[in-house]
Amino acid sequence: EAQVTQNPRYLITVTGKKLTVTCSQNMNHEYMSWYRQDPGLGLRQIYYSMNVEVTDKGDVPEGYKVSRKEKRNFPLILESPSPNQTSLYFCASSLAFRTSGNPYEQYFGPGTRLTVT
Amino acid sequence: GIQVEQSPPDLILQEGANSTLRCNFSDSVNNLQWFHQNPWGQLINLFYIPSGTKQNGRLSATTVATERYSLLYISSSQTTDSGVYFCAVAANQAGTALIFGKGTTLSVSS
Repeated sequence: EAQVTQNPRYLITVTGKKLTVTCSQNMNHEYMSWYRQDPGLGLRQIYYSMNVEVTDKGDVPEGYKVSRKEKRNFPLILESPSPNQTSLYFCASSLAFRTSGNPYEQYFGPGTRLTVT
Repeated sequence: GIQVEQSPPDLILQEGANSTLRCNFSDSVNNLQWFHQNPWGQLINLFYIPSGTKQNGRLSATTVATERYSLLYISSSQTTDSGVYFCAVAANQAGTALIFGKGTTLSVSS
């Protein structure tokens, strides 16, 4: 089954304790992205990657790091989490180059609900 | 940047009713998607529809790109249809963030 998976799905942690949220897709997509969703602010892009070893900042990158060493994986790293990073996080993927069908349709993972105390 | 407006913001229906959700966007797009966010927070892809009409069971969608709007139709609504419906657009190729509307919150009661 074609899908985007995220782990963990739920996480409660404390300020300053480094954490990694993993994201993996099995659709051979070049493009992967992270969003966060907050009440009243909607979904905002944190980082994205057009391909292996190619990453770039989105709208709200402060406090986050990413890496793209393999095509299928795009982990989100919080080196020193703070309470303002409490949010619902989504990973998404899509093709990056035009092809038949729905060329740029983005597929979202199930979400990771993070609470930082 | 592109602005995305959805209406109505809230919708309350009895089971079996039909509804139409609207999405207006301020510029030309080459990606428009409708999502359903269920009560558990998951974003479910409903349609990829930058133009034209598509149907999937009780749901259908139409995008009139030249007039910059899209409509999502839900027929014979069920309680499992409850949740938030988002329209999201992008103006360029992949690598551009999807810009989401604020959503329509749908509550279907039995």
